[in-house]
Amino acid sequence: AAGVIQSPRHLIKEKRETATLKCYPIPRHDTVYWYQQGPGQDPQFLISFYEKMQSDKGSIPDRFSAQQFSDYHSELNMSSLELGDSALYFCASSLAGPTGAISGNTIYFGEGSWLTVV
Amino acid sequence: AQSVTQPDIHITVSEGASLELRCNYSYGATPYLFWYVQSPGQGLQLLLKYFSGDTLVQGIKGFEAEFKRSQSSFNLRKPSVHWSDAAEYFCAVGALGGGFKTIFGAGTRLFVKA
Repeated sequence: AAGVIQSPRHLIKEKRETATLKCYPIPRHDTVYWYQQGPGQDPQFLISFYEKMQSDKGSIPDRFSAQQFSDYHSELNMSSLELGDSALYFCASSLAGPTGAISGNTIYFGEGSWLTVV
Repeated sequence: AQSVTQPDIHITVSEGASLELRCNYSYGATPYLFWYVQSPGQGLQLLLKYFSGDTLVQGIKGFEAEFKRSQSSFNLRKPSVHWSDAAEYFCAVGALGGGFKTIFGAGTRLFVKA
């Protein structure tokens, strides 16, 4: 079965550069979540989208932005990169947004995109 | 505010021994609780989830967890650990804000010795 696809899997950028991570949810899933997991840390929620609208916001820096497109894929844009942005970035998807998650629809995680800022 | 506490940073068990990983949560309403496993360099795999109903939840790979509202706990158990179970285990709670998000605990690293 198709899973959540993230690209690129690995990315190396220099400080102050810009990076874009892409997430392709499971087909028919309409909700996308982004998480950041620093080395040895637990995943931290950044932002989520339902039907192309932002549905919730967590600890996402102002330097970061994200959106969900008409085909439901999502992109996380990170500008003015800092060394502390080096992390594993997870995308997850589910069906039917908050209502679906509440009623038991499983949230599926991608394998993550490794961002290294040097 | 919602939060998840995993008291044990790491646990070491012998192969074949039983396992219990502790998880306590703080949430104002009925929680949506999850256990995920993460192998080194890998993504997050859902082991099991609790939304309502039977408080003893069965998951994949022989894991189970029990929701105890009075103790605000959702401990993960396995009767006999295999070496391949060595990984990081995250307890998480589903939280409602403007949407729905998952809040993770700090994780418990499981080591399995022969």
